[in-house]
Amino acid sequence: ETGVTQSPTHLIKTRGQQVTLRCSSQSGHNTVSWYQQALGQGPQFIFQYYREEENGRGNFPPRFSGLQFPNYSSELNVNALELDDSALYLCATRAGGDEQYFGPGTRLTVT
Amino acid sequence: GENVEQHPSTLSVQEGDSAVIKCTYSDSASNYFPWYKQELGKRPQLIIDIRSNVGEKKDQRIAVTLNKTAKHFSLHITETQPEDSAVYFCAAIGGSYIPTFGRGTSLIVHP
Repeated sequence: ETGVTQSPTHLIKTRGQQVTLRCSSQSGHNTVSWYQQALGQGPQFIFQYYREEENGRGNFPPRFSGLQFPNYSSELNVNALELDDSALYLCATRAGGDEQYFGPGTRLTVT
Repeated sequence: GENVEQHPSTLSVQEGDSAVIKCTYSDSASNYFPWYKQELGKRPQLIIDIRSNVGEKKDQRIAVTLNKTAKHFSLHITETQPEDSAVYFCAAIGGSYIPTFGRGTSLIVHP
């Protein structure tokens, strides 16, 4: 198993609410990416942070935002939740090379 | 943007048989092609990867081949075992490191 952890494990929210998901980076990994994985689908890239700056973004609306902290841990914030936001949210960290390590994910259910 | 097609969506084999999963990509700038294995309820784990300057890479029972001209790459698993049963994802990544994943292949190995 990798040293990447995510919290919480599961979360249930109501449509219109806001949610914050957290990811702790493996030691020395200064780059974090967030993905949304709907049931039966591959992970979809949301955005990437390198040394606290967003440096890549997928096709997701601005209500998906993030932060990376000096210790390289990271947050994903989603505002105005919609039913289609129900998914597994994965973060993945890397140390500058190509190989990335995934966290266990947060299962978000929006009702 | 990049588009990755993965086939088949489901693959059922007998223990000991070989399994082949194929992916095609659209962006000729993609230069890194990892394969992930995701067991039910678990995080994706990198099993093998290949870079665009290499045509083939092997690691025990697993191999990946890349045809840059045709823009396709394949995962080969020999002597399959029941513990190989999982969902396998391919991905294509370019210089900006924005990964695009395939939709996944559910591999079922029957004892």
